[in-house]
Amino acid sequence: DAGVIQSPRHEVTEMGQEVTLRCKPISGHDYLFWYRQTMMRGLELLIYFNNNVPIDDSGMPEDRFSAKMPNASFSTLKIQPSEPRDSAVYFCASSFAGVGEKLFFGSGTQLSVL
Amino acid sequence: SQQGEEDPQALSIQEGENATMNCSYKTSINNLQWYRQNSGRGLVHLILIRSNEREKHSGRLRVTLDTSKKSSSLLITASRAADTASYFCATDEGLTGGGNKLTFGTGTQLKVEL
Repeated sequence: DAGVIQSPRHEVTEMGQEVTLRCKPISGHDYLFWYRQTMMRGLELLIYFNNNVPIDDSGMPEDRFSAKMPNASFSTLKIQPSEPRDSAVYFCASSFAGVGEKLFFGSGTQLSVL
Repeated sequence: SQQGEEDPQALSIQEGENATMNCSYKTSINNLQWYRQNSGRGLVHLILIRSNEREKHSGRLRVTLDTSKKSSSLLITASRAADTASYFCATDEGLTGGGNKLTFGTGTQLKVEL
């Protein structure tokens, strides 16, 4: 199994631009989570999906952030327009309900908004 | 918001020594997990301890849980340079239908020197 796959690995963009982060969860996992990690705030849960349906997006900081999961093998996190304070590492994680209850994380996307 | 607070924030030891990290949390939990993060990488699950367990072992790892004090500790015995990483505790809010919504602590940066 290839694990959770995120792309791109690094993203550098200018303020105001649209940013799209991508995630492919582990096959068979029915939960998908988006986390953001910064030095100041640590790891924050942004949103999670169950069977492709968004369940809790209370962690999404602003309307500029949106996430979709069109099918079981793909999810996106979009920031439009991006701002310098969005600079962070964004992680996607997946899990299989009822088995171990542990999360499997991707390698993350390092986002820098200039 | 962060549920867990780790102590110490940073720990530097010599190879072969034991490393102990502590985690305190605020609300009732179903289980508590520990994760490891190498620099520039995603988090990797280490061990899970359920609320009705007091101690758990996995290789060189020993985890304790005291629900009355809302605290947990992670002990790494006979540390190695390869153990250098950040360690996070995570508490779960069980989800309907299974799966975990984890809230992560602030992390302990462990450095093991040769």
